[in-house]
Amino acid sequence: GEDVEQSLFLSVREGDSSVINCTYTDSSSTYLYWYKQEPGAGLQLLTYIFSNMDMKQDQRLTVLLNKKDKHLSLRIADTQTGDSAIYFCAESPAGGGADGLTFGKGTHLIIQP
Amino acid sequence: SAVISQKPSRDICQRGTSLTIQCQVDSQVTMMFWYRQQPGQSLTLIATANQGSEATYESGFVIDKFPISRPNLTFSTLTVSNMSPEDSSIYLCSVDTGLGGLAPDTQYFGPGTRLTVL
Repeated sequence: GEDVEQSLFLSVREGDSSVINCTYTDSSSTYLYWYKQEPGAGLQLLTYIFSNMDMKQDQRLTVLLNKKDKHLSLRIADTQTGDSAIYFCAESPAGGGADGLTFGKGTHLIIQP
Repeated sequence: SAVISQKPSRDICQRGTSLTIQCQVDSQVTMMFWYRQQPGQSLTLIATANQGSEATYESGFVIDKFPISRPNLTFSTLTVSNMSPEDSSIYLCSVDTGLGGLAPDTQYFGPGTRLTVL
């Protein structure tokens, strides 16, 4: 079956770069997503990447996809206190939006002053 | 994008009762999804809700426990029936915007309903 794995915690100092990693098992994944969940709030779509892309950059966010190794990463440059949240990696199986997403358990990003 | 609202935002319920959660979208969407996020866990898909047909449930979830309605393209309800403390979770509604063309189908999430069952 499908499985998405993430480390549970990441601690970085304010101003440094954060790199959150994710591995997945479904090689037929169409899209891969990063969602952010702030305390007490719903999910916010941060960014997504097509499975045939290697990299996508959006302001402070850089997504890298290694399809051979089924590894996805999210880099946040110049990490700020407002970036403190849980970050979920998710994949959309073959069929795109016709199916629900499979989520990892989320990585808690902790910002140290 | 889509703006999604859910009611109620939170509730505390007694064991054995039922709660109906509403999800409203500001635009017509093809598919809506219901997820559950148990404490400290990731999101798990409960079912896909298609307008005009019965919902499709994932393994481990049944219609008798989680009946779903989808009367039109902007609204859906999820009922959590005969609740027990194990049903305490955040329940999230999600939509597929189905933009088509070069844009991917992208799912957006509502703010969630935080349910506590005593």
